[in-house]
Amino acid sequence: GQSLEQPSEVTAVEGAIVQINCTYQTSGFYGLSWYQQHDGGAPTFLSYNALDGLEETGRFSSFLSRSDSYGYLLLQELQMKDSASYFCAVNQAGTALIFGKGTTLSVSS
Amino acid sequence: GAVVSQHPSRVICKSGTSVKIECRSLDFQATTMFWYRQFPKQSLMLMATSNEGSKATYEQGVEKDKFLINHASLTLSTLTVTSAHPEDSSFYICSAELAGVSYEQYFGPGTRLTVT
Repeated sequence: GQSLEQPSEVTAVEGAIVQINCTYQTSGFYGLSWYQQHDGGAPTFLSYNALDGLEETGRFSSFLSRSDSYGYLLLQELQMKDSASYFCAVNQAGTALIFGKGTTLSVSS
Repeated sequence: GAVVSQHPSRVICKSGTSVKIECRSLDFQATTMFWYRQFPKQSLMLMATSNEGSKATYEQGVEKDKFLINHASLTLSTLTVTSAHPEDSSFYICSAELAGVSYEQYFGPGTRLTVT
């Protein structure tokens, strides 16, 4: 079967750094994406890794290790507005995304 | 960036009736659109892949006769929930791929369906 595992919840304080891990097991793999979703809203694209290594986009970075079937999203300088659900998702060519179950991040002051 | 709209944003209907949800790509053409449903505090579950001009591809366990998908143009896909039941109450979200950028999907704002 196909599965993506990520922690269900993470809590942190403003200004801190948080890492959300994702391990995956899928029949096809082109890359790993990360999406953010606020309550009641639509998922928004954060980052994508097709190759091993770190991709940095402002306060957010994403890492991929294809050999380990593992990736993570790193959020730095946390702000209250970062409180949301974060989903890792596997891109399979020609098909839709396969989403993990999501990690709820709660940022407190 | 690319914008995807959905209409309606919220709908309440009675059991046994049908509801149509529209998904539009506003500033780009989308040969492929996807329909997901999401229950509270849960992940997005793919229902079907909608291809312009051809039949949709449904995921295992999704009844194609109950969830009718039509992708009549490069900017519009519709999902019709037929003979709705309370258990169909959910958040339905569509997404579209930007041609040539297959790794990034643009999601609509979602439609909250409540069946009474």
